[in-house]
Amino acid sequence: GAGVSQTPSNKVTEKGKYVELRCDPISGHTALYWYRQSLGQGPEFLIYFQGTGAADDSGLPNDRFFAVRPEGSVSTLKIQRTERGDSAVYLCASSLTSGRSTDTQYFGPGTRLTVL
Amino acid sequence: AQSVTQLDSQVPVFEEAPVELRCNYSSSVSVYLFWYVQYPNQGLQLLLKYLSGSTLVKGINGFEAEFNKSQTSFHLRKPSVHISDTAEYFCAAQRANAGGTSYGKLTFGQGTILTVHP
Repeated sequence: GAGVSQTPSNKVTEKGKYVELRCDPISGHTALYWYRQSLGQGPEFLIYFQGTGAADDSGLPNDRFFAVRPEGSVSTLKIQRTERGDSAVYLCASSLTSGRSTDTQYFGPGTRLTVL
Repeated sequence: AQSVTQLDSQVPVFEEAPVELRCNYSSSVSVYLFWYVQYPNQGLQLLLKYLSGSTLVKGINGFEAEFNKSQTSFHLRKPSVHISDTAEYFCAAQRANAGGTSYGKLTFGQGTILTVHP
């Protein structure tokens, strides 16, 4: 079946602009995660949703970052007033639930964001 | 909170040679441990995971890892590598709750680039 998809695959924007990154999880997966991977680093957790609600947003770096998942499926990560330091690959993952240890997180290919 | 350290940023090896990618973790609570692989221009793919039980875990593509609680390590091994194993490998930890459920977010190491030479 279809895996996790993310759009766009690449996004180039100018400093100060607003961007939206989209994630389509695997159908039926209730848990959805966003991570950010800077060059030469491992992915860093940003936020995770269980259903429509953000169960843990402790990884969001500041209030310029916001994410929604209004219908418990597709999620959008929104970044306001982008800065050059926001340049990274943004990864989305989904799992069947977040409450069972056996549930694997399946990752999408990521969106590469470049802020000029 | 937990942290994960991958001790080698790059590991070059010749085809058919054995390889070990090292991972150490630090946590004040029980954790589950994972190895993911990232091929160029692809998403992260799970290789294997340790939840409980046998400390030797076997994964896909002939990889295995051994959980060592006393040394807080979870090193990844393969007895004979192929050119196609060239990729970046990430070790990750996830907090394990008392009821056996997971806490959700993964904490990743910095990654190890494995390059297999002919």
